[in-house]
Amino acid sequence: EAAVTQSPRSKVAVTGGKVTLSCHQTNNHDYMYWYRQDTGHGLRLIHYSYVADSTEKGDIPDGYKASRPSQENFSLILELASLSQTAVYFCASSDPGTGGDEQYFGPGTRLTVL
Amino acid sequence: GDSVTQTEGLVTLTEGLPVMLNCTYQTIYSNPFLFWYVQHLNESPRLLLKSFTDNKRTEHQGFHATLHKSSSSFHLQKSSAQLSDSALYYCALRAGSWQLIFGSGTQLTVMP
Repeated sequence: EAAVTQSPRSKVAVTGGKVTLSCHQTNNHDYMYWYRQDTGHGLRLIHYSYVADSTEKGDIPDGYKASRPSQENFSLILELASLSQTAVYFCASSDPGTGGDEQYFGPGTRLTVL
Repeated sequence: GDSVTQTEGLVTLTEGLPVMLNCTYQTIYSNPFLFWYVQHLNESPRLLLKSFTDNKRTEHQGFHATLHKSSSSFHLQKSSAQLSDSALYYCALRAGSWQLIFGSGTQLTVMP
């Protein structure tokens, strides 16, 4: 069974609309992350969380919000979607506190903003 | 700040030839962890190999890399490329904190 799942797997949104991307993990990891992937830019960190009910800004947080209601769930919210937010979004989890360096990625969500 | 540089955006080679993907990094932290992640088409990134020991070769699935702190490098190599090696490869750095800093990625295409 996949340990990190994302929904939806793809989405088309209109400019100015609200978009919510969801992530669920069964790894029992404390840390969860949202990345966006763009050709030529690699993986860039948007938001992360190390405990439920708390989120932190990553390297490119502008235009995004995040929510971590439980250890297992982490959402990325685009309040006013823009064309520049068209990308593939990956959720990941890890547990660096126990020496676990590996980040486990979900399958990704392809977002197209029109 | 910390950074990772992958100079080749695209690498194309013929099956059976050796592979070398370059990775250099910058950090003031003296004990960095370096990683290679691989992402096949329509899949998500997954860990290929990692190292934190200077001058020690790390191997996995036919690939190998050696962390050289003197040159701040962690190049990925394989002696003989296979068609199935075609993928996007990311080098990543963890330096003193939990955060992974990813390079921009190298798209490897292996031709028959």
